[in-house]
This record gives sequence, structure tokens and C-alpha cells, in this order.
Amino acid sequence: EDQVTQSPEALRLQEGESSSLNCSYTVSGLRGLFWYRQDPGKGPEFLFTLYSAGEEKEKERLKATLTKKESFLHITAPKPEDSATYLCAVRLNFGNEKLTFGTGTRLTIIP
Amino acid sequence: NAGVTQTPKFRVLKTGQSMTLLCAQDMNHEYMYWYRQDPGMGLRLIHYSVGEGTTAKGEVPDGYNVSRLKKQNFLLGLESAAPSQTSVYFCASDRTGGGSPLHFGNGTRLTVT
Repeated sequence: EDQVTQSPEALRLQEGESSSLNCSYTVSGLRGLFWYRQDPGKGPEFLFTLYSAGEEKEKERLKATLTKKESFLHITAPKPEDSATYLCAVRLNFGNEKLTFGTGTRLTIIP
Repeated sequence: NAGVTQTPKFRVLKTGQSMTLLCAQDMNHEYMYWYRQDPGMGLRLIHYSVGEGTTAKGEVPDGYNVSRLKKQNFLLGLESAAPSQTSVYFCASDRTGGGSPLHFGNGTRLTVT
């Protein structure tokens, strides 16, 4: 069965303390891996799409990377406003409308 | 630009009651989706639509029906609500369905007692 596993479930960091979130997947025919940010009471907000191993995308303090079995979301010198739940999702192949979501990592940045 | 708008934001139903959740998008997107989000579980796809007048089942369709009479609107219906349908429901849309990112609404929190 196709699975997406995110770790850790929760992460508390001091402001400025860099770290990484992990998304591992056991799917065949990966055609895209997506990262979303979700604030409490809000819908997920798109961050990145990665398509092939070795690909990297950056946005402000966030950098997403992809290997054949996992993706990392690196957070450099985070600020309190980076506190959110980060979700990853995989799409199996073009034309398949199903995104498989992980359960997310709840990130808290302490001032 | 409102994006994806969901109504209502909150609702409490008694077991057996029915209701319709409304979703509207103003981005002219072809694809629309209904997800549910439960604690400890990832977002799960209920139903989706690849264009006006079309609907298809997702991962957890039982107990729900949908309609897409207009391109901008996607309705999710619960004919006879059950406590297991207590959840947060998200509507989403995207341009092509083939890898373009989803745009989500802010959800409807539904409690069935």
C-alpha cells in the first residue's frame, strides 16, 4: 500500500535553531511531491513541488529537497511566524487525481 | 481575489440530519476536490470533479454525495449524518489536476452528535 510518513510528529525549536522535517514515501511511480503549510483553523497553503531526485526548491527560510525515498524540509534560522503544521503529499502519476497526504509535522518556534 | 470560499465555517448536526457544504472558487479552475481531515490521519479525498457536470469518487466516498452544476461551485452533501462524519472538511481546486498545486479553502468544522 502506498504510504507517506512524516517525522517527527511535533518539533519545538528555539528561534534561530535550524532543523529538518522528514517525509518518506513508499509509492511506485512518483510523479510529484508537494509541501504545504497549515496554520490553525486554516486550509493548507502550497509551498513547493518537487518532481525528481536531486531537485531542490527554496523560499525564504525554507528549502525542500528530494531523494528517491524521502524529502526533507530544511528550516534555517526559523522565526516564530514559521510555527505551523507542515504537510507533505505525493501524487502517483499524471492523470491520477489522488494525492496521498502525510499526517504532518507540527512545528513550534519559541521566541 | 477570494480564491476558494467554503460555507458554513461551523455546523452542528444531529445524527440522521442532512446538510450541504458549499464551495466556490474564482480562479476558473477545472478541478475541484473535497477532503476531510481527522486527528492523526492525513487529508483524505472524498470526491472530486474534473470539470463542470462531472464527479468521481475518491478514497472515502461512502455517506457523501457531490454535484458540480457550475464550474465555480462544488457542493458536498450529507444525506443522513453519522457521528463518524464529525471532521473538518476542506474544499480545494487546481488548474489542471496533473501536478499543479491545490488551492484550499479554510474548512468547515462539522460536529455530528
